[in-house]
Amino acid sequence: DGGITQSPKYLFRKEGQNVTLSCEQNLNHDAMYWYRQDPGQGLRLIYYSQIVNDFQKGDIAEGYSVSREKKESFPLTVTSAQKNPTAFYLCASSIANGVKTGELFFGEGSRLTVL
Amino acid sequence: GENVEQHPSTLSVQEGDSAVIKCTYSDSASNYFPWYKQELGKGPQLIIDIRSNVGEKKDQRIAVTLNKTAKHFSLHITETQPEDSAVYFCAASRGTNAGKSTFGDGTTLTVKP
Repeated sequence: DGGITQSPKYLFRKEGQNVTLSCEQNLNHDAMYWYRQDPGQGLRLIYYSQIVNDFQKGDIAEGYSVSREKKESFPLTVTSAQKNPTAFYLCASSIANGVKTGELFFGEGSRLTVL
Repeated sequence: GENVEQHPSTLSVQEGDSAVIKCTYSDSASNYFPWYKQELGKGPQLIIDIRSNVGEKKDQRIAVTLNKTAKHFSLHITETQPEDSAVYFCAASRGTNAGKSTFGDGTTLTVKP
């Protein structure tokens, strides 16, 4: 079945460590996104990529990094510079045909806890 | 930038009743308004969306209305069922990038049997 796979589902990290969250999609979507979700809040955009080898900062990019070497993959690294990294992270993808906005397809999320 | 406000933050209804969730937006150039449902521990899933060239859209028990003049849109769920219990998010965006939507803070809907 087509969809978005995020891993790991749960991750624990010590302060000062970098961690990388995986996101893979087989929907043949050009655009991919990373969001952060905190309790009682909406989704906030961290980074997005509309094409391979290109990505843009979202609203809260500080302390995060991404890469887009393959169309199917958009990993997110939470660096030690991120001051409050404990959160639920969601990866999404969409068609990006440059004409019309469209549905976002989300993965099941990765919950990161910093100890 | 865009600002989206969503009300109420929590909503509890009896099974079979209707539920209404409202959102307002600030950017008059926004033209795409999706609603997502998020079940516990899962990613959000689109349940209905509306574009600025229509005022209402319906899909079985779910409907969305849009008032461009007042810059608000609403989700209506009729004949609610316990499986409708979830967090619902509205969003607004313009241009060609749905992923740059601004999301509301969510409404936790509880449907009591």
